Amino acid sequence: GESVGLHLPTLSVQEGDNSIINCAYSNSASDYFIWYKQESGKGPQFIIDIRSNMDKRQGQRVTVLLNKTVKHLSLQIAATQPGDSAVYFCAENNTGANSKLTFGKGITLSVRP
Amino acid sequence: DAMVIQNPRYQVTQFGKPVTLSCSQTLNHNVMYWYQQKSSQAPKLLFHYYDKDFNNEADTPDNFQSRRPNTSFCFLDIRSPGLGDAAMYLCATSRGGWGITYEQYFGPGTRLTVT
Repeated sequence: GESVGLHLPTLSVQEGDNSIINCAYSNSASDYFIWYKQESGKGPQFIIDIRSNMDKRQGQRVTVLLNKTVKHLSLQIAATQPGDSAVYFCAENNTGANSKLTFGKGITLSVRP
Repeated sequence: DAMVIQNPRYQVTQFGKPVTLSCSQTLNHNVMYWYQQKSSQAPKLLFHYYDKDFNNEADTPDNFQSRRPNTSFCFLDIRSPGLGDAAMYLCATSRGGWGITYEQYFGPGTRLTVT
């Protein structure tokens, strides 16, 4: 039968602006969180991770913020570039339960030149 | 460079004809995962190996099987592919540790087409 693909939410930003991608997670027992970037036709690429004993972690041009009170995770990308255009997934894990990641639905980031 | 390698990158099979996808890694990670990803969806975990221990997801159809003959290699066997099994299949690896989670590293994926 014919399958209908889902349309991912899209965030459109101007090149050079900062991007903020948000993610709400569901499991209050989750203690490890990770952001992946996936370009078309490729596997997900690790961006940055954070453990629940932290609320902020910085990488190169990226920052992840964790708010455990409201179960919210965000990825900030500074000075967004065309090469940042991709689908971004957040994922969570409850270390005490297993080694599996639960992925969020994904958000498409589109960078306007 | 240490990496996760998947072969082939593109696979076409006929409806009902068994197919095997392969994954190898040079990271020496003890955990290997297989995911199915359909268009515009998140990766869906099928199963994973923690060392030699196989862990199947409750909703993974029996049509999907896996083998891990050694640390470096893991195979995904689809015994009787249906049209609904057309998808990207992703292999991932991670370190495994008691009481700590590590990031998963993904391969480039195998795009499976079923005709």
